[in-house]
Amino acid sequence: EDQVTQSPEALRLQEGESSSLNCSYTVSGLRGLFWYRQDPGKGPEFLFTLYSAGEEKEKERLKATLTKKESFLHITAPKPEDSATYLCAVQAGGSYIPTFGRGTSLIVHP
Amino acid sequence: SQTIHQWPATLVQPVGSPLSLECTVEGTSNPNLYWYRQAAGRGLQLLFYSVGIGQISSEVPQNLSASRPQDRQFILSSKKLLLSDSGFYLCAWTGGAGYGYTFGSGTRLTVV
Repeated sequence: EDQVTQSPEALRLQEGESSSLNCSYTVSGLRGLFWYRQDPGKGPEFLFTLYSAGEEKEKERLKATLTKKESFLHITAPKPEDSATYLCAVQAGGSYIPTFGRGTSLIVHP
Repeated sequence: SQTIHQWPATLVQPVGSPLSLECTVEGTSNPNLYWYRQAAGRGLQLLFYSVGIGQISSEVPQNLSASRPQDRQFILSSKKLLLSDSGFYLCAWTGGAGYGYTFGSGTRLTVV
């Protein structure tokens, strides 16, 4: 059974204080690992897909990395508008259905 | 460009009443479509998915049902709502396995 564990559950940062969110996973043949951002009361917004260990992707202050067991979402010099819940999901080869983690709630204080 | 529409945004329904939530996708053909429920403080729970017209797979047995009458239309229904059906319902589509989801804006359902 595919499993995804995100840590920490909640993270409070000061504006400009860089940090990382973790997504540990077990999956039978990784097809893709996905990161999403979800604002309160809204649907998740797709951020990145990573397909193989060693791959990295960046978008503004966010950088996602992938190893064979985990993914990190690095947030550099965050701003209050980066406050959201960040969700990680993995999809096994041959499956239409990704397995989601419970998310990390990030609050960035000005 | 592709867009996904989900409505209504909020809904308050009495116990025992019927439910119909609609989701449509524009700008693509033969999308994979999904219905999720997100309870407060909990993760995303997959309810139904469809890889084609008339093809519905149910992940969780319950009093909800789904239908796909057209290629880009996905409907979530119930004949009689329960209090436990309250939650945030999300529709999503993807172009195929290995692609990330595009989610709708969600429907906040409160059963009273």
